[in-house]
Amino acid sequence: EAEVAQSPRYKITEKSQAVAFWCDPISGHATLYWYRQILGQGPELLVQFQDESVVDDSQLPKDRFSAERLKGVDSTLKIQPAELGDSAMYLCASSLPGTSSYEQYFGPGTRLTVT
Amino acid sequence: GENVEQHPSTLSVQEGDSAVIKCTYSDSASNYFPWYKQELGKRPQLIIDIRSNVGEKKDQRIAVTLNKTAKHFSLHITETQPEDSAVYFCAAGDSNYQLIWGAGTKLIIKP
Repeated sequence: EAEVAQSPRYKITEKSQAVAFWCDPISGHATLYWYRQILGQGPELLVQFQDESVVDDSQLPKDRFSAERLKGVDSTLKIQPAELGDSAMYLCASSLPGTSSYEQYFGPGTRLTVT
Repeated sequence: GENVEQHPSTLSVQEGDSAVIKCTYSDSASNYFPWYKQELGKRPQLIIDIRSNVGEKKDQRIAVTLNKTAKHFSLHITETQPEDSAVYFCAAGDSNYQLIWGAGTKLIIKP
């Protein structure tokens, strides 16, 4: 069964450093989402892509976060510089286009710890 | 914008009993309501969903009900088992195919 891939699974970085996360959605899934999940809370949408275009990045802290999906397939989320409050699980999800687009499939996540 | 409230935040039930988790949403245009189960340290997994043109949906021990007039929906788990212990999230889907998530319910199954 196809799954969303993410790497790395764990990342420890010092504050003020740069960090990047990678996501490869399920083949054929045009919509890709990046979420941040703080322990004990629900996922918070950071950015939504449709193919290579950003649909919504209103919740992305653009002074330090950036996201791209250049060829409309895999995607990278970057934080520079990292802050202590960025410690969280970063989840990527993908969905099919069309009437099934609501069903989001999640990757295993990247747990980020900023020290 | 849309807001989803979820109750209770923690639910402890005896193994074999039923568990009910409730959510309310604010945007009447929302038309998709999934429930996700997340075990500690793992990804959220879709367990059941319902669309706004349906009032109830069942899948073995799990059922979801939707009351569009009252703008609330509920997850029902019958004959609970130890493996049902997890955090459960409800969400509401808007016209941009975005999900607005509830805060989660930690379900504890007591042996």
